[in-house]
Amino acid sequence: DAGVTQSPTHLIKTRGQQVTLRCSPKSGHDTVSWYQQALGQGPQFIFQYYEEEERQRGNFPDRFSGHQFPNYSSELNVNALLLGDSALYLCASSLLIADTQYFGPGTRLTVL
Amino acid sequence: DAKTTQPPSMDCAEGRAANLPCNHSTISGNEYVYWYRQIHSQGPQYIIHGLKNNETNEMASLIITEDRKSSTLILPHATLRDTAVYYCIVFRTNAGNMLTFGGGTRLMVKP
Repeated sequence: DAGVTQSPTHLIKTRGQQVTLRCSPKSGHDTVSWYQQALGQGPQFIFQYYEEEERQRGNFPDRFSGHQFPNYSSELNVNALLLGDSALYLCASSLLIADTQYFGPGTRLTVL
Repeated sequence: DAKTTQPPSMDCAEGRAANLPCNHSTISGNEYVYWYRQIHSQGPQYIIHGLKNNETNEMASLIITEDRKSSTLILPHATLRDTAVYYCIVFRTNAGNMLTFGGGTRLMVKP
């Protein structure tokens, strides 16, 4: 049973650039949530996708956007990168919106 | 969602039971208690969850007090690989699926 996978593992970008992170949910899951974890902090909710629509959003600016594909995989896009966007980006999947979330290994983004 | 309070750090001897407490005095009747752990630089790992009754699985046991204002996660025989940050999270499943992480408890299992 395939778990949640994320790509790439690590990424280095410069300020002002754009980045796209990818997530494949656990087999059988249809809901994907994204979280940002700054160094030394707990994960913070960015948004959640279900049926290819954004269903819930945390306190993040519009520079953060996402997409969910018909196969339930998802992308997180961040435009106009800031130094403060450096973090571990986590994807979590669940079966339906209200079920237990399972996390992927994360993508470590460094903005220089 | 109800807020949780956890001790920032705890130590446990290898092979002994690790008991991690969590206070959630403002929990509502339809809110679940979830536990995750995060080993350094990895994604959080789901451990266990419960509503009212005590729960047990292959990883841990969850004891919820009768008034539901606190809970304890029990790792029956801690190993060095259990060293991690443990998060207690309370949330309502009918309000979406946004997990709100607090500071967690950093458990150090020592030989």
